[in-house]
Amino acid sequence: DSGVTQTPKHLITATGQRVTLRCSPRSGDLSVYWYQQSLDQGLQFLIQYYNGEERAKGNILERFSAQQFPDLHSELNLSSLELGDSALYFCASSASVGGGPNEQFFGPGTRLTVL
Amino acid sequence: AQSVTQLGSHVSVSEGALVLLRCNYSSSVPPYLFWYVQYPNQGLQLLLKYTTGATLVKGINGFEAEFKKSETSFHLTKPSAHMSDAAEYFCAVRTNQGGKLIFGQGTELSVKP
Repeated sequence: DSGVTQTPKHLITATGQRVTLRCSPRSGDLSVYWYQQSLDQGLQFLIQYYNGEERAKGNILERFSAQQFPDLHSELNLSSLELGDSALYFCASSASVGGGPNEQFFGPGTRLTVL
Repeated sequence: AQSVTQLGSHVSVSEGALVLLRCNYSSSVPPYLFWYVQYPNQGLQLLLKYTTGATLVKGINGFEAEFKKSETSFHLTKPSAHMSDAAEYFCAVRTNQGGKLIFGQGTELSVKP
């Protein structure tokens, strides 16, 4: 158990809908990262928050947004869903704000299926 | 920019045989290198990481990896495969310039009895 929790575990929805994925980082970790894992794109970084502020953006679509709340949990909002958004979404947390050797601890993921 | 290439999307070995999973990286600055394992329907778990210093890194479950700067490689090895090693393995790179991990495409390891 990494200490990172994600809910829900599975999500099935229809095209055009909007969903929210939730992540609680390890106790004490201020950084939260979101990654998307799909068969065609592999594991791709989406976005990072540190202590409530956005720190880095990766290959995140404009239809996607995220935020980190004062209690440090984070939510990833996906809207106008398309079939291609079906993927496993991981949250990871880390104690540090930026690069370096610090480990990122991964949650179990949320599997999103768009029908 | 950094990138990671994992050679071989599928590797199959017999139980007790050597495991070798290949990873090559590209980075214009000194990298930090990681190997993660993903068991079916689970998240990623860190196997080992290279930061600085000793180039041979030992990790959990008997895995180790050697950082070779001249070859820009960080191959993962285990002397004797076990059935429980069957999983997907990801090599990743990060630098001091950013916190995100850049992953390779992954290598699925199968272990035959």
